[in-house]
Amino acid sequence: EDQVTQSPEALRLQEGESSSLNCSYTVSGLRGLFWYRQDPGKGPEFLFTLYSAGEEKEKERLKATLTKKESFLHITAPKPEDSATYLCAVFAGNTPLVFGKGTRLSVIA
Amino acid sequence: DSGVTQTPKHLITATGQRVTLRCSPRSGDLSVYWYQQSLDQGLQFLIQYYNGEERAKGNILERFSAQQFPDLHSELNLSSLELGDSALYFCASSARGEYEQFFGPGTRLTVL
Repeated sequence: EDQVTQSPEALRLQEGESSSLNCSYTVSGLRGLFWYRQDPGKGPEFLFTLYSAGEEKEKERLKATLTKKESFLHITAPKPEDSATYLCAVFAGNTPLVFGKGTRLSVIA
Repeated sequence: DSGVTQTPKHLITATGQRVTLRCSPRSGDLSVYWYQQSLDQGLQFLIQYYNGEERAKGNILERFSAQQFPDLHSELNLSSLELGDSALYFCASSARGEYEQFFGPGTRLTVL
């Protein structure tokens, strides 16, 4: 069974304090790994798609990387507006996306 | 704005009732997905439609059903509602299964 585990469950950072969120997965035949940001009571907002090990994508203060077993979302010099829950999901072909439970990030000014 | 619309935004109803949630996908997207998100749970996949046909089923209760119409909008019907059905219900759409899904703003269902 495909599984996605995100860690930590919650992370509290000072503004400007860089860190990384982890998404480890067990899936047969990964076709794509997705990162989303979700604000409370809102729909998940698409951030990145990664297709193969070694791939990296960047957007503003966020950078996503992928290995054969896990993905990292690096947050550089975060700001309070980066506070949200970050979700990871994997796609393995004919099965629907499998989501992790997310990392709840709080950035304190 | 993802381009996916959902109505209504909020729904308050009583146990035993039936409700219908509506979703319009992004222009050109053929796949529609429905998810349930409770406070203590992650996103739970319910069902997927592709161009009007059911493509995949997740943990969808027998009291729940969905369909996708010729204009590609979709409806999720929830019947014999229970307190535990209170949750956020999201619709997402994508062009093809391996492409990223874009989520709507959700419908918050409260069952009293």
